[in-house]
Amino acid sequence: AIQMTQSPSSLSASVGDRVTITCRASQGIKNDLGWYQQKPGQAPKLLIYGASSLQSGVPSRFSGRGSGTDFTLTISSLQPEDFATYYCLQDYSYPLTFGPGTKVDIK
Amino acid sequence: QVQLQESGPGLVKPSETLSLTCTVSGGSISTYYWTWIRQPPGKGLEWIGYFYYTGNTNYNPSLNSRVTMSADTSKNQFSLRLSSVTAADTAVYYCARRIAVRPIYAFDIWGRGTMVTVSS
Repeated sequence: AIQMTQSPSSLSASVGDRVTITCRASQGIKNDLGWYQQKPGQAPKLLIYGASSLQSGVPSRFSGRGSGTDFTLTISSLQPEDFATYYCLQDYSYPLTFGPGTKVDIK
Repeated sequence: QVQLQESGPGLVKPSETLSLTCTVSGGSISTYYWTWIRQPPGKGLEWIGYFYYTGNTNYNPSLNSRVTMSADTSKNQFSLRLSSVTAADTAVYYCARRIAVRPIYAFDIWGRGTMVTVSS
């Protein structure tokens, strides 16, 4: 199975900050990577698919980049509603695997 | 607007079988990949497997021998059965719709999740 790692595991940031989360795959996955946001007590929500395509309805402050093994999710200007845990998911081969998550909380 | 809703017992005894159903409203299950994902308390997400409307299934090898997925197209429902459960199977179980048509591979719609506790 493809192993996914994320860094950092957590970060503290302020409203308005630019935040970048990194996801790395243990082998190449082309651009078959998604990013999901999960708030406490809620189901995950799709933000980005295909490494860089913004899901309909997701604010443009979210962006994704990368291909192969290294990927990033960037929030250009952190908003109060963005404090959450973010997961990457490789959608390249079975079993599909998630990263361990990055928790973004308020500084 | 497609919506998913999980249902099933919230408490299952060790060694017994966990059974959950996901009801799809606002759309047909006769397309897409219908998936189960779980999340132990305070932990990350684990893909369990999918059921495709043709009857094709694919399960996580870590659970493969214990998992069965099926669907009832007349009720627009799909189901998960996980046998021989232990405390390690305690988790929130989510059903989700997966799109798998290039260029889109993603879980775009999720149920709210249902907590299942394994305990005697």
